[in-house]
Amino acid sequence: AQTVTQSQPEMSVQEAETVTLSCTYDTSESDYYLFWYKQPPSRQMILVIRQEAYKQQNATENRFSVNFQKAAKSFSLKISDSQLGDAAMYFCAYRSALDNYGQNFVFGPGTRLSVLP
Amino acid sequence: DTAVSQTPKYLVTQMGNDKSIKCEQNLGHDTMYWYKQDSKKFLKIMFSYNNKELIINETVPNRFSPKSPDKAHLNLHINSLELGDSAVYFCASSQDPRAGDTQYFGPGTRLTVL
Repeated sequence: AQTVTQSQPEMSVQEAETVTLSCTYDTSESDYYLFWYKQPPSRQMILVIRQEAYKQQNATENRFSVNFQKAAKSFSLKISDSQLGDAAMYFCAYRSALDNYGQNFVFGPGTRLSVLP
Repeated sequence: DTAVSQTPKYLVTQMGNDKSIKCEQNLGHDTMYWYKQDSKKFLKIMFSYNNKELIINETVPNRFSPKSPDKAHLNLHINSLELGDSAVYFCASSQDPRAGDTQYFGPGTRLTVL
């Protein structure tokens, strides 16, 4: 079974600075999808960024970018120019391309990010 | 417009009661899901349902049952509530899981069993 690990339970960053959240995963599959979701205090789960494993190019979404290292099974999230609204729990998630029903959408334990003014 | 909505947002009830949580999506997605997030923030899938097939995570007690009156709704019924059922429950939907389509989540329902 696939597992997703986020080794940093908590992190903090100064406003306007850059922070990187770590995520590693374990799989024997070659085709899969990786996601970063954000959960602010409102509890809403919001998609931040999505990466297809077959694409070598790292996904970017405005201030958010990933460093996808397939061989190392690493999928870190970089947040540039951090804003107070970025404070949230961040979840890394994995989904196999063989998963027809979305059943094996595996989430990591989360990293709580604080943004300091 | 809210893409995935859930009601109620908060639910407090006594042990042994039966309760339901409603979920609706207006994205036209074919597949809907229920997740449970425990007190340690760990998210685990409970069900996925795509209009034809219900896939149940084997660890989910049969006191939990999803019911889908139509493609846009997937309600969660819980019978004989137990203390350990206290958690936040999230509904989600996606267009085509086989394509790795993104799952869009509802706002969550915090269930507290006393």
